[in-house]
Amino acid sequence: EIVLTQSPGTLSLSPGERATLSCRASQSVSSSYLAWYQQKPGQAPRLLIYGASSRATGIPDRFSGSGSGTDFTLTISRLEPEDFAVYYCQQYGSSPEYTFGQGTKLEIK
Amino acid sequence: EVQLVESGGGLVQPGGSLRLSCAASGFTFSSYWMSWVRQAPGKGLEWVANIKQDGSEKYYVDSVKGRFTISRDNAKNSLYLQMNSLRAEDTAVYYCAIQKTVTLFDYWGQGTLVTVSS
Repeated sequence: EIVLTQSPGTLSLSPGERATLSCRASQSVSSSYLAWYQQKPGQAPRLLIYGASSRATGIPDRFSGSGSGTDFTLTISRLEPEDFAVYYCQQYGSSPEYTFGQGTKLEIK
Repeated sequence: EVQLVESGGGLVQPGGSLRLSCAASGFTFSSYWMSWVRQAPGKGLEWVANIKQDGSEKYYVDSVKGRFTISRDNAKNSLYLQMNSLRAEDTAVYYCAIQKTVTLFDYWGQGTLVTVSS
């Protein structure tokens, strides 16, 4: 089973700043099978990025994804107040197997 | 507008059973894989099970195999999760989710809380 480790656990930033969130896999993941989700308190997760770098429908272009192999990154170029939330990466493997990272909490500094 | 509305959660004793439902609207339900994903209180996300468009393929996380059964009724645009032999560690919010591609979860319902406790 592939394990996804997200860092940092908590990221404290101010609106307007740039956020960089990391997702590291225990073994190589196809970029096509790496996604990112945003979850706000009391809400369901929302798909942000799929295929490591493609934005889902309606996602602002301040969100971008990159990476390959075992290292993936979600970047929020300029934080808006509504961006403070928990972010999860997720990978798909055969069998099928779906695993999520433990999440990064992005909080207002 | 896509809508997924889960129901059927509640408090159940260890060893008990519960059946969750997910009512879908706003999209062609029969065209997509569907999944259940859960989230224990204050914890991360865990995929539970998914089912192919026609119900011919079903997959489960190891921890629920033999206890949970996923099913769907395309005529009723509904997804189900029958949960038997429930354990305290099954306590979570259960979300249903659309899988337009089998590799990810495109849209999620608001979830239903299942609490397993005596």
